[in-house]
Amino acid sequence: GNSVTQMEGPVTLSEEAFLTINCTYTATGYPSLFWYVQYPGEGLQLLLKATKADDKGSNKGFEATYRKETTSFHLEKGSVQVSDSAVYFCALSPRGFGNEKLTFGTGTRLTIIP
Amino acid sequence: DVKVTQSSRYLVKRTGEKVFLECVQDMDHENMFWYRQDPGLGLRLIYFSYDVKMKEKGDIPEGYSVSREKKERFSLILESASTNQTSMYLCASSAPYEQYFGPGTRLTVT
Repeated sequence: GNSVTQMEGPVTLSEEAFLTINCTYTATGYPSLFWYVQYPGEGLQLLLKATKADDKGSNKGFEATYRKETTSFHLEKGSVQVSDSAVYFCALSPRGFGNEKLTFGTGTRLTIIP
Repeated sequence: DVKVTQSSRYLVKRTGEKVFLECVQDMDHENMFWYRQDPGLGLRLIYFSYDVKMKEKGDIPEGYSVSREKKERFSLILESASTNQTSMYLCASSAPYEQYFGPGTRLTVT
């Protein structure tokens, strides 16, 4: 079946540090991959996506590259801010459309200290 | 802006009560979803609907039912609430390549 494995949290970094949150997946076929972010007290919102191998999704300074050979979609940001403190979820869409049922990772809580 | 609203942010119910969680979206999306969010388990799909009066079970449907009488509204029903249903419940609707989430309902069953 389909599954998503994220690095365990919580992660605490100082402002302006480099961020990596690891995500690997298991899926058959050609899934699409997503990162969703949940700010305190809010629902999830889409951060970025990639729909095919070697695609790079980017938004708000965050990036992730769809690596089929390593089945990974790691989230990176060069210089984090306090406002990036949130829970980050990696997810996959098995048939690639993104409007079907998604499989989510367990989430990684990120805290940025000034 | 797409808006997904949920009827309550916080809810406290007693064991055995029937509980209704309501979700409304304003973007004419066909697909709607109910997830449950628990620490260390991420989001798990309870039910989803791809059209009015159509529904499919997700990964953890036991103890839940749903209703979709109108396209914009998708209700989650706990027929007889139990303490193991204490959780955060998230509703979503979807367009191609993006799901839009409501703010969530934190349900406590005592």
